[in-house]
Formats: sequence, structure tokens, C-alpha cells
Amino acid sequence: DGGITQSPKYLFRKEGQNVTLSCEQNLNHDAMYWYRQDPGQGLRLIYYSQIVNDFQKGDIAEGYSVSREKKESFPLTVTSAQKNPTAFYLCASSEWGPYQETQYFGPGTRLLVL
Amino acid sequence: AQTVTQSQPEMSVQEAETVTLSCTYDTSENNYYLFWYKQPPSRQMILVIRQEAYKQQNATENRFSVNFQKAAKSFSLKISDSQLGDTAMYFCAFMKLQSYSGGGADGLTFGKGTHLIIQP
Repeated sequence: DGGITQSPKYLFRKEGQNVTLSCEQNLNHDAMYWYRQDPGQGLRLIYYSQIVNDFQKGDIAEGYSVSREKKESFPLTVTSAQKNPTAFYLCASSEWGPYQETQYFGPGTRLLVL
Repeated sequence: AQTVTQSQPEMSVQEAETVTLSCTYDTSENNYYLFWYKQPPSRQMILVIRQEAYKQQNATENRFSVNFQKAAKSFSLKISDSQLGDTAMYFCAFMKLQSYSGGGADGLTFGKGTHLIIQP
């Protein structure tokens, strides 16, 4: 089945620790995105990547880092510099081309701070 | 920068009724898409409908339709014959296109959502 997978479903972080959230897609999409969702809020863009080995900061990139070494994978690292990391994190992907930019989402990862 | 506003934090209707969710946006862009996404309790984001700004005709998908008023920067979602499974958070989202012919896009800008409850 084609789709977007995120792991783990739940992740716990200790103070000062870096953690990495996984996002994989087998839709052959060129573009991938990371969003953060806080309670009662819409999603906010963290980072996005339109092609392999290239990515751009979104609206709230501070305290996060990403890599895009393979087309199907776009991991997000939440660093110790992110002081309020507790949130729901959603990964999305889309094709690249006219009229094909609709984003489809993975099931999400819930990050909690111990 | 774009902003998206959903002025109804919560709405509740009876099953089989029609309900309209409001969304307004602010942008100086001329080339963009608008979306409605649904987020049920599972928290999976599901695409409901998409509208291209260059199209005058309103998009429809089965029981879901939009009223797109470009000049007024308004993009409402109408759900007809509402069902219990329509209970969810509904998010309006804006996407600026990087170029008219070459495709590609930045990320989505979301509103804060409307919690829709369908009562039996």
C-alpha cells in the first residue's frame, strides 16, 4: 500500500536530549514537509524539502533540524535548543508539478517531555 | 505573509442537516490554492476538498462543496446531509504557488480550526 509512515507513534524526551522523528513515504513524491500542532491550534510549518539534499526553513524552524538524503525519507530532529517541544508532529508529502501540489499527511508522532 | 482565519471555534448540528464552516484569508498573492482538511479523533489529517484560485467554478466532492469568493477572500465549506462520521476538526489552509507554470509550492498556512459535532 502506498502511503506515509511516521514513527514512533509516541516519543518521550528528557531535558537536554535530542530526539529524531522518522517520516517515510512510498508515493514517489518529490516534496516533503514537517508541521507542528499544539492544542487548539492549526498546524505550523517547521521545515520543507522540495528535492533531495535541499530543504528550507518554515515559520518555526528554531530548535529543529532536518536532512533529506533520500527521496523517500525526511527525518526531523528536535534538539535541546527547542525549549517547548511537547506537541503533535505531522509529516506530509506532495508531488512537484503544476496542479499536483496537494499535500497528504502521515499519522503523526506525539512528543512528550519527561 | 498569509493569514487564515476561522471564526467559529465550535459548531454543532443534527444529523442530516446542512452546515457551513467559514474561512477568510489575507494575501497579496494571485496564484494559490485553498484546502479544507478534516482531522477526526484519530488525528489523521484527511483532505476534504481543494480549490484553485484561478478557477471561478466552486469545487465539489460528493456532500462537500465550497463557496469561493476571491475578491472577498472568503472560502466556506458546506457539508450537506451531515453524518455522524463528519464529526471532526476542520481546518482551512492556504498554499502559495511558487510559479504559475512550473509547479512547486511552499508549505500550507492553516487556520486554527472549527470543531464540528454532528448530533444523532
